[in-house]
Amino acid sequence: GAVVSQHPSWVICKSGTSVKIECRSLDFQATTMFWYRQFPKQSLMLMATSNEGSKATYEQGVEKDKFLINHASLTLSTLTVTSAHPEDSSFYICSAKRTAGGSNEQFFGPGTRLTVL
Amino acid sequence: AQSVTQPDIHITVSEGASLELRCNYSYGATPYLFWYVQSPGQGLQLLLKYFSGDTLVQGIKGFEAEFKRSQSSFNLRKPSVHWSDAAEYFCAVVGDDKIIFGKGTRLHILP
Repeated sequence: GAVVSQHPSWVICKSGTSVKIECRSLDFQATTMFWYRQFPKQSLMLMATSNEGSKATYEQGVEKDKFLINHASLTLSTLTVTSAHPEDSSFYICSAKRTAGGSNEQFFGPGTRLTVL
Repeated sequence: AQSVTQPDIHITVSEGASLELRCNYSYGATPYLFWYVQSPGQGLQLLLKYFSGDTLVQGIKGFEAEFKRSQSSFNLRKPSVHWSDAAEYFCAVVGDDKIIFGKGTRLHILP
């Protein structure tokens, strides 16, 4: 149990276009999901906390108008990179926290590789 | 604020040798601690976690970690490494509902 999927697993887009990445908890409900960004050979950096039914909480330095987060249901959060540019190329990873159980464990998706040309 | 330090960026060990990866954390209350492994281009896989109780935690793939409150450490160990253990290892702490990751330690295995 506790499987998190991401779609797509990789995407290539032209500069100026928008890209949507989905994060789904497949076998549990997740009130809270998290979005991370990872540059090559670096650690994961938390971008934002996504709460079902409310606005996302962004970390300092993350542009909320550029990285739109929607958490419309207890099993789905989406990250839209708007007007993508080459510097947005990165590995984006989401995680989900179980609604039930009170555990602080987060379950991670497999990641999405975004390349902006 | 909570933080995680992994002092070793790279570690190289011979196959069959023992391994210890260091992790130090900073957090005011009792921390929730994790070790993850990441292969190139892949997501994270949880090796083990510590929430409370026994300070020696057993994980998957023969890994274990020991929580030492007095040293604010949560070092990862394995008695005998295999070539397939070559990967990036991240220590993480949960505080205020957020996971904070260390910068990672790249493990290289010599044949």
